Amino acid sequence: QVQLQESGPGLVKPSETLSLTCIVTGGSIRNHYWSWIRQTPGKGLEWVGYMFSSGTSSGSTSYNPSLKSRVTISGDSSKNQIFLNLRSLTAADTAVYYCARVRIAVSALDHFDYWGQGALVTVSS
Amino acid sequence: SSELTQPPSMSVSPGQTATISCSGDGLGTKYVNWYQQRPGQSPLVVIYQDNTRPSGIPERFSGSIFGDTATLTISGAQALDEADYFCQAWDRSTALFGGGTKLTVL
Repeated sequence: QVQLQESGPGLVKPSETLSLTCIVTGGSIRNHYWSWIRQTPGKGLEWVGYMFSSGTSSGSTSYNPSLKSRVTISGDSSKNQIFLNLRSLTAADTAVYYCARVRIAVSALDHFDYWGQGALVTVSS
Repeated sequence: SSELTQPPSMSVSPGQTATISCSGDGLGTKYVNWYQQRPGQSPLVVIYQDNTRPSGIPERFSGSIFGDTATLTISGAQALDEADYFCQAWDRSTALFGGGTKLTVL
């Protein structure tokens, strides 16, 4: 059974960079798409982006256009981990951040089949 | 399409049928997935590819799509179905989520 566990700082200051790690157990990250999704308190889900783990250092990525200038998603297949970097933080980035695996069906992106329990990040001075 | 629209909330009595809609331009050309999120929990897929129920999801959950509107139906809603429900689709390489519908069963 694939399990995902997010980790990172619970509190970061405005203008700083958020770095989160998603530790994947029960399966390899290779040859899968991995996403970060966030949820502001009491609000809906917002897709941050995804990366494809090909086992090399240059897996393909796609980002939410509204965050693209500030976000980087990467992975380390040797550690079976996925990373999120979000720069130039503001209070609007306060949210629960989830990592999730994207199931592929007929060579197309399908649904998010495994989710972590989420990591609450508060942006405040 | 860059937006998926859902009603913010709905309420049904136990045993009644709940129908939650999700609409968006061109949605009929995409697969729609539905997620249930109970308070304090991570989202869980209950329907994928418009109308497929994952293993372990009760038969009372079903999905359909007509034109650019997808519908999640919960037949004979139970108290434990009280949750937020989100629709989701892919627009090329971008994931879209609906704003969510809070379902109350009382």
